[in-house]
Amino acid sequence: GAGVSQSPRYKVAKRGQDVALRCDPISGHVSLFWYQQALGQGPEFLTYFQNEAQLDKSGLPSDRFFAERPEGSVSTLKIQRTQQEDSAVYLCASSLAGTSGGFYEQFFGPGTRLTVL
Amino acid sequence: AQKVTQAQTEISVVEKEDVTLDCVYETRDTTYYLFWYKQPPSGELVFLIRRNSFDEQNEISGRYSWNFQKSTSSFNFTITASQVVDSAVYFCALSTAGANNLFFGTGTRLTVIP
Repeated sequence: GAGVSQSPRYKVAKRGQDVALRCDPISGHVSLFWYQQALGQGPEFLTYFQNEAQLDKSGLPSDRFFAERPEGSVSTLKIQRTQQEDSAVYLCASSLAGTSGGFYEQFFGPGTRLTVL
Repeated sequence: AQKVTQAQTEISVVEKEDVTLDCVYETRDTTYYLFWYKQPPSGELVFLIRRNSFDEQNEISGRYSWNFQKSTSSFNFTITASQVVDSAVYFCALSTAGANNLFFGTGTRLTVIP
């Protein structure tokens, strides 16, 4: 398909395990965003890439969270030593251009639901 | 700081009724963008509309209409003649010219009863 894809769709981890979540943006989209959505809440910003450059990581909740986009396309969000409060849906979005965030529509993937036991 | 408030947590309507979802925003920026997204049970956020702060014209798209009023910092969304397929969580969001991300409200869960 032509949309944003994410894998896995569901991930169950034991507390303390490391996890890696993948995002395939729409081809040609310069900007890539990660959001965290807790149950019953709206998505909250985690980090932003323009091509391979991580320009904003102000939303990452702790140094256990790490994101990369080495070739400017696929991105991976890694969470080390997972804790129960990390349980949430992790959404990836991409947009066409790298200018100010609101001007271009962000297209969202289906999300990865992470459950930490 | 940016903030979006969706005071209605859950709304239930009977099919064919009209329903309005409220959104109030806060920002000190003069250039900003407002959005509505729909999140069906599948989880994927579906873009509905984007308005910029300089365009207060109301917009209608089929059964959907949006009322943007800067005087009250509101961007309300009305669904006319609701249908069961409209059942979803609806999010209002804000972005400013200097920011890269969207600030979302907490969402309104709409249930349309057949």
